[in-house]
Amino acid sequence: EVQLVESGGGLVQPGGSLRLSCAASGFTFSSFEMNWVRQAPGKGLEWISFISDFGTTIYYADSVKGRFTISRDNAKNSLFLQMNSLRVEDTAVYFCARVGGGPYTFDYWGQGTLVTVSS
Amino acid sequence: EILMTQSPVTLSVSPGERATLSCRASQSVGSRLAWYQQKPGQAPRLLIFGASTRATGIPARFSGSGSGTEFTLTISSLQSEDFAVYYCQQYNNWPPLTFGGGTKVEIK
Repeated sequence: EVQLVESGGGLVQPGGSLRLSCAASGFTFSSFEMNWVRQAPGKGLEWISFISDFGTTIYYADSVKGRFTISRDNAKNSLFLQMNSLRVEDTAVYFCARVGGGPYTFDYWGQGTLVTVSS
Repeated sequence: EILMTQSPVTLSVSPGERATLSCRASQSVGSRLAWYQQKPGQAPRLLIFGASTRATGIPARFSGSGSGTEFTLTISSLQSEDFAVYYCQQYNNWPPLTFGGGTKVEIK
């Protein structure tokens, strides 16, 4: 069974940092491209970052470019999101999502981890 | 950036009735359009990709159509478990991958 489990969320002050993790199991992690998608409270979905299977191709949404860094460790079946210079508007549930189904659609999602940026 | 606009924002439908949801792209995305369902407190679930191909395990009452800039998700006979928020997503021209704002299907 495919499982994605996020961790690392919490309360952080504006300007602070946080590192999210996504533990993958039930599939060959190194064969799949991965993404982070977030959802602000009561709002819609926002794609924020993509990483290819071996990490050679990376993309970011403009809203997080220069502040967030996506990475992966295929030996540990893990995806990461390093978030620096956090802003109040970064408050959201952060989902990791696997590329699958169609190209660049998301066939499996984690349950999400809540990041709250507040003073 | 391709903007995705969904309508209506809220759709009130009785169980057993047909629901028709719309998604419009600001420029052509060909058939590179997906639909997701999200229930409260849960992650989204992929329903449709390639505008009309059902994802694994998705019931036949869900169907997608359209191409270019106009797309439709139809739920032929709403079941209780179908009341949720539905999002479209384009993957033709990216980054960024973009989602619509969502349509909430509620019980009438």
